[in-house]
Amino acid sequence: DAGVIQSPRHEVTEMGQEVTLRCKPISGHNSLFWYRQTMMRGLELLIYFNNNVPIDDSGMPEDRFSAKMPNASFSTLKIQPSEPRDSAVYFCASRRPDRGRSWETNEKLFFGSGTQLSVL
Amino acid sequence: GQQLNQSPQSMFIQEGEDVSMNCTSSSIFNTWLWYKQDPGEGPVLLIALYKAGELTSNGRLTAQFGITRKDSFLNISASIPSDVGIYFCAGQSGGYQKVTFGTGTKLQVIP
Repeated sequence: DAGVIQSPRHEVTEMGQEVTLRCKPISGHNSLFWYRQTMMRGLELLIYFNNNVPIDDSGMPEDRFSAKMPNASFSTLKIQPSEPRDSAVYFCASRRPDRGRSWETNEKLFFGSGTQLSVL
Repeated sequence: GQQLNQSPQSMFIQEGEDVSMNCTSSSIFNTWLWYKQDPGEGPVLLIALYKAGELTSNGRLTAQFGITRKDSFLNISASIPSDVGIYFCAGQSGGYQKVTFGTGTKLQVIP
């Protein structure tokens, strides 16, 4: 199992530029979550999808942020235009469908290694 | 929105000591999760709790789901240097099982 794959691992960009973060969830997982981690605010849920449909995007900071999941194996988080306060680590996580009450086989959120974003 | 407060924010302990950290919420959750994050990596699940009052162990780790469903604690016994990291609680709720994370407890173990 390859795990959740995020790219790029690090991104340095200038204020005003468009940034696109990518995520490939684990095959067979039907829920996908985007989180942002900062020292000040910890791990914030930005948006999550179930079966490729956005369920809750109330955590998306503002209109500059958008996320898509065109199919079950790919999602993007886009920031346009980027600002220095967007600097953070962005995590993608996925989860398989609920199959029962064993925590070994379901309801387990698997995280990618994150994208460290720096906006100068 | 839902908020999860963890305490303590950080702690330094001597190797071999036991550790206790807790998490409280303004909302009820139907599942509590505890994660550990190593530097430069994503969080990894340690323990999941599904019932109010449930006490679950995983090696040196023990966690409990509070009776009110608004709190949980995690204990680590006989700490070792590799326990260093940030520990997060997370609550899961709603029809689509939204996962909200706590503020984190940074643990440092002194050999």
